[in-house]
Amino acid sequence: DTAVSQTPKYLVTQMGNDKSIKCEQNLGHDTMYWYKQDSKKFLKIMFSYNNKELIINETVPNRFSPKSPDKAHLNLHINSLELGDSAVYFCASSQWAGGRSGANVLTFGAGSRLTVL
Amino acid sequence: SQQGEEDPQALSIQEGENATMNCSYKTSINNLQWYRQNSGRGLVHLILIRSNEREKHSGRLRVTLDTSKKSSSLLITASRAADTASYFCATAGGSNYKLTFGKGTLLTVNP
Repeated sequence: DTAVSQTPKYLVTQMGNDKSIKCEQNLGHDTMYWYKQDSKKFLKIMFSYNNKELIINETVPNRFSPKSPDKAHLNLHINSLELGDSAVYFCASSQWAGGRSGANVLTFGAGSRLTVL
Repeated sequence: SQQGEEDPQALSIQEGENATMNCSYKTSINNLQWYRQNSGRGLVHLILIRSNEREKHSGRLRVTLDTSKKSSSLLITASRAADTASYFCATAGGSNYKLTFGKGTLLTVNP
């Protein structure tokens, strides 16, 4: 049973279209994330939700809108797709280990490769 | 930015040899983590070292942390072809929720 699952795995679409990527985790984690990995493998955080509340919102065009209906789901909707949006988008989740010296270890999904033509 | 920077960008070794990858970062951290990414897959957590630790072991993995030099190293001993992957360091600083990843080292282990 996949811990963090994303759909679709591949997405090919035309410039200007709107698309969504869905993510679900069955680990009972409180926090979920979206990361973008570009063609040079650079991984950059986009958003994070903790118990359905947005806690990290990096400098991302407002064409990107995350939605967390419950703490097990975090979806990413992208409007007016551009060529530069082509990348692999990773969903991840974590459970805060607690305390001042606590740590956050991420469990990643397999990624969704978005190609904008 | 406290983005980590791995070195080398690519490393090719023979099976059985040891592989060492380095990571440097810019600001103070609470902990540093190493992740592995196989081609076409998501990242998998390998090991975490806290800022008050200097060395940690897990199986064939050994991680060191030098906070005075703002650097860490990951050593994989007795490498196997299955270790072929990209390896990323990730740092957590002011916000423990915000893990900042480096650009990765592509390790190729030749059989």
